[in-house]
Amino acid sequence: GENVEQHPSTLSVQEGDSAVIKCTYSDSASNYFPWYKQELGKRPQLIIDIRSNVGEKKDQRIAVTLNKTAKHFSLHITETQPEDSAVYFCAASGAGYSTLTFGKGTMLLVSP
Amino acid sequence: KAGVTQTPRYLIKTRGQQVTLSCSPISGHRSVSWYQQTPGQGLQFLFEYFSETQRNKGNFPGRFSGRQFSNSRSEMNVSTLELGDSALYLCASSLAGLAGGQETQYFGPGTRLLVL
Repeated sequence: GENVEQHPSTLSVQEGDSAVIKCTYSDSASNYFPWYKQELGKRPQLIIDIRSNVGEKKDQRIAVTLNKTAKHFSLHITETQPEDSAVYFCAASGAGYSTLTFGKGTMLLVSP
Repeated sequence: KAGVTQTPRYLIKTRGQQVTLSCSPISGHRSVSWYQQTPGQGLQFLFEYFSETQRNKGNFPGRFSGRQFSNSRSEMNVSTLELGDSALYLCASSLAGLAGGQETQYFGPGTRLLVL
């Protein structure tokens, strides 16, 4: 089955810096890659996603890149703010119906 | 539209008991997936239901089961609870549960289960 590796497990940055989280996946059939943000005690919320026919997608300060050949995708957050502090999960979805395989998560801490 | 709701939000059980958790998807969504979240293992897929049929199952023992009703509401049941079943159980709904899983899944707030 699918396996998703996520790095780093923790990331500390200063406010205004950029943050990059990287994920690799194993199943070449995977074609949908969402990113979720989970604040303490809250539900995971989708922040951005990318499909296999696209190499990059941006939404304001957030961008995701996908390299299907290398089977990796990354989340880029620019101009980080303290409210960006949370755990971020990458996921991959392949041929199975509504089955997401998640990375272990990255705890992002943005210091003022 | 109201979001995904789950009941109860918190549960405390003892080993050997069984528990039933409920999930109401977003109105119009027909696919419901369940995930277990623990600090050590992260988010792990349990199973997915669409039109009252289980279409996909993760790598969990048979003590974990579920069902879906005609109104798309779903329940999951865990029998003979073990200490290791303590976790946050999340359900997520999507519109039609298309093959290839390219639809956004919206998560509920979760049910936090503590097994003593």
